[in-house]
Amino acid sequence: GQQVMQIPQYQHVQEGEDFTTYCNSSTTLSNIQWYKQRPGGHPVFLIQLVKSGEVKKQKRLTFQFGEAKKNSSLHITATQTTDVGTYFCAYSGAGSYQLTFGKGTKLSVIP
Amino acid sequence: NAGVTQTPKFQVLKTGQSMTLQCAQDMNHEYMSWYRQDPGMGLRLIHYSVGAGITDQGEVPNGYNVSRSTTEDFPLRLLSAAPSQTSVYFCASRSPGQGLYEQYFGPGTRLTVT
Repeated sequence: GQQVMQIPQYQHVQEGEDFTTYCNSSTTLSNIQWYKQRPGGHPVFLIQLVKSGEVKKQKRLTFQFGEAKKNSSLHITATQTTDVGTYFCAYSGAGSYQLTFGKGTKLSVIP
Repeated sequence: NAGVTQTPKFQVLKTGQSMTLQCAQDMNHEYMSWYRQDPGMGLRLIHYSVGAGITDQGEVPNGYNVSRSTTEDFPLRLLSAAPSQTSVYFCASRSPGQGLYEQYFGPGTRLTVT
């Protein structure tokens, strides 16, 4: 079935450095969502991308959906300790109610 | 609104015991689902429901049962607990539509089976 590969699995950065996580699919995605899960917490919705080439920004976070709708990225500029957590991409197939999650990228920020 | 609530927060079971994880939402969402989260495995869908009286299997349904008698509640039953079911369980809900709406998660139930 359709799957996404999320990379890297782990990322350690110095506070103030940038961070990027990628979500790659072998097939076209109808949409993609991004979630953040703080340590010990539950996933929280960040954004949804639907259109080819779409770029959305939330303060220091930039989300992109590839032109072919096969990949997506989340970029954080100048990381802060509050950015610590695991970032998941998630997608649903065309005509499907199910939301399938990538395995996540765990971000650690060294102060 | 309380959002999505789950009980209990923590549970320890012995192999072979059964139990029900409770989930409720007060947002009138038609779609509800259960996930389990294991280290390095992300979130895997167990069962989901698109409305009262309608349920279906997800990626890892074996050993679990669900029912949906009301819009608000979506309990998950472990029939005969096994150590492989040690995990964190999240219930989630969202507005109707096919994948175009954000999903709200409950705080999770941390289950240990010994």
